Amino acid sequence: TQLLEQSPQFLSIQEGENLTVYCNSSSVFSSLQWYRQEPGEGPVLLVTVVTGGEVKKLKRLTFQFGDARKDSSLHITAAQPGDTGLYLCAGDYAGNNRKLIWGLGTSLAVNP
Amino acid sequence: DTGVSQDPRHKITKRGQNVTFRCDPISEHNRLYWYRQTLGQGPEFLTYFQNEAQLEKSRLLSDRFSAERPKGSFSTLEIQRTEQGDSAMYLCASSLSYFGPGTRLTVL
Repeated sequence: TQLLEQSPQFLSIQEGENLTVYCNSSSVFSSLQWYRQEPGEGPVLLVTVVTGGEVKKLKRLTFQFGDARKDSSLHITAAQPGDTGLYLCAGDYAGNNRKLIWGLGTSLAVNP
Repeated sequence: DTGVSQDPRHKITKRGQNVTFRCDPISEHNRLYWYRQTLGQGPEFLTYFQNEAQLEKSRLLSDRFSAERPKGSFSTLEIQRTEQGDSAMYLCASSLSYFGPGTRLTVL
């Protein structure tokens, strides 16, 4: 059973457009992380959200944790070709900070 | 650069051969994780260590797979009698969130 569902699975947009990626679950997570991965490289941590309703911003990226801590979103404003990559969400399900549950990822292509 | 290194970065082998990968984590981190990732998918958990103790192994880790972390520092992942289905990116993470660049395995 996949505990974390990401949508959309694929997204191809033009430079300058806005987009939102969703990470949903029926389970409660004590924390949730977002990663970006480029081809041939390992995932790089972007942010960790911990508190229900929390909003964090990283330049043009805005991350939100749902009030019930079951879902999260990543919004990118004015996307650039350098944003291209695989975006992954991962949650600490057991609350023991020992193992993450991963979504399948959203593959984003930003065309110039 | 997360400070986690993996070697080799790429490995091409013939079916039936054994391969070994190495991960050097961030020195002060006690936990080390191994994942497998196929193209366009999220990482799949394989196993993790707390210092030198292997605390959990996934059902994905068949008898052909073995991992060690003998001194609680670097770790090795060995795959014996490789199969084409073993072709994937093998990722190491230091603590929960600091990933190495991965080892891309291709089994011919």
